[in-house]
Amino acid sequence: QSVLTQPPSASGTPGQRVTISCSGSSSNIGSNYVYWYQQLPGTAPKLLIYRNNQRPSGVPDRFSGSKSGTSASLAISGLRSEDEADYYCAAWDDSLSGRGAVFGTGTKVTVL
Amino acid sequence: QVQLQESGPGLVKPSQTLSLTCTVSGGSISSGGYYWSWIRQHPGKGLEWIGYIYYSGSTYYNPSLKSRVTISVDTSKNQFSLKLSSVTAADTAVYYCARGWSGSYVHLDYWGQGTLVTVSS
Repeated sequence: QSVLTQPPSASGTPGQRVTISCSGSSSNIGSNYVYWYQQLPGTAPKLLIYRNNQRPSGVPDRFSGSKSGTSASLAISGLRSEDEADYYCAAWDDSLSGRGAVFGTGTKVTVL
Repeated sequence: QVQLQESGPGLVKPSQTLSLTCTVSGGSISSGGYYWSWIRQHPGKGLEWIGYIYYSGSTYYNPSLKSRVTISVDTSKNQFSLKLSSVTAADTAVYYCARGWSGSYVHLDYWGQGTLVTVSS
C-alpha cells in the first residue's frame, strides 16, 4: 500500500494562512475522497475535513479542504495558537497490490 | 455521544499475540451503518490503518498486516477486538479504535483515547 506524501512541517504567525499539501496517486486521491485529521499533542486524531471539503459540525470555517487530480490541500486561515498540531490526510486506496485506507506522512504546524 | 475505550495489556513479549478490546458506549454496534476500525501510531510517527469489522462480522484488513491480524466483534458486550500475532518490537505503537462510516471507511468520526502497547521481553 502506498502512503500519501505531506511536507513534514509548516508554520505561520497568528492570523496568517497556512496551506498543507497531500500528494497521492490515481488509486487513492485520484479516485476517492480525501479526509483530514488534526492531532493535538498527546491526543487522538480528530476528523477535520471529510469528502474533500466538508466540515463536521463544530469545526471552524477557518479550515477548508480542496482536491485536484491526485493531490489535495488543507488550508488554515486566521491561524490561531490552538491550531498547533499534527495534520494528516487520508484516503481509500484501490491499488492492485491491495486495497485499504492510507494516511499521509503528517505535517506539524507550528504557530510562531 | 458515542465513546470508545481501548483496553488490554500494555506490555507484550516478542513472538506472542497482542490482544486489545474496544468498548463502545453511547451507541450500539448492532445498529449497523458503521465500520469499527483499528489504527495504530508508532512512537513519533504517522498513522497506520489496521482494519475494520462490521457488526455482522465481515472484516477487511491492511494487506501488509493481513497474515497476522484478526478483528472480531461481540455485539452482546458492544465490543470489538484486535489480535495481532507474532509481534516484534516493530509492533510497538499506540493503538486506537475508531468508528468509520459505511461506504466511507476513512471517515473516522469517533476515536478512543489510544493505548500504548510495548513489545519487549
